[in-house]
Amino acid sequence: DAGVTQSPTHLIKTRGQQVTLRCSPKSGHDTVSWYQQALGQGPQFIFQYYEEEERQRGNFPDRFSGHQFPNYSSELNVNALLLGDSALYLCASSFAGTAEAFFGQGTRLTVV
Amino acid sequence: EDKVVQSPLSLVVHEGDTVTLNCSYEVTNFRSLLWYKQEKKAPTFLFMLTSSGIEKKSGRLSSILDKKELFSILNITATQTGDSAVYLCAVGVGSNYKLTFGKGTLLTVNP
Repeated sequence: DAGVTQSPTHLIKTRGQQVTLRCSPKSGHDTVSWYQQALGQGPQFIFQYYEEEERQRGNFPDRFSGHQFPNYSSELNVNALLLGDSALYLCASSFAGTAEAFFGQGTRLTVV
Repeated sequence: EDKVVQSPLSLVVHEGDTVTLNCSYEVTNFRSLLWYKQEKKAPTFLFMLTSSGIEKKSGRLSSILDKKELFSILNITATQTGDSAVYLCAVGVGSNYKLTFGKGTLLTVNP
């Protein structure tokens, strides 16, 4: 049983560019949440997707957007990248209405 | 604003020692508390606690929740170098179980 998978593992982008990160949830999970983890900090909630809709959003600007597909996989898009967007981006999947969330390996984004 | 505070932020021990990691929280609409171990990238699930006073155990790790005093502890006995990691505490909030994390405790176990 594959766990949560994310791609790519590493990414280097230039300020102002756009980036798309991808996540496949654990088999059977229908809810995907995205988190941003800066160095030395705990993960910060970006948003959560369920039934292809954004169900809840954290305190992140509109430059951060997402999508969930019918097979429950998800994308995180970040426009107009800033240096401060450099972080580890984690995807977590779960069953709707449950707390137990499983994380992928993350995508390390570096903005230069 | 929901808040999760972990202490200590870092800890250095010798193999065989017992450690206690602390997590306190102030959140609205508490649903659950979770502990994760993060070694390189992916936080690995350890425990989920929803009821006060019921200890959860897995090998040398155990955890308990106090919903009256709003805290949890994670105990690791007979520590090994492989226990070296960042331990994250997260609280599930609201009907969607959004996770609010603490900053983590960096545990270093020296041989």
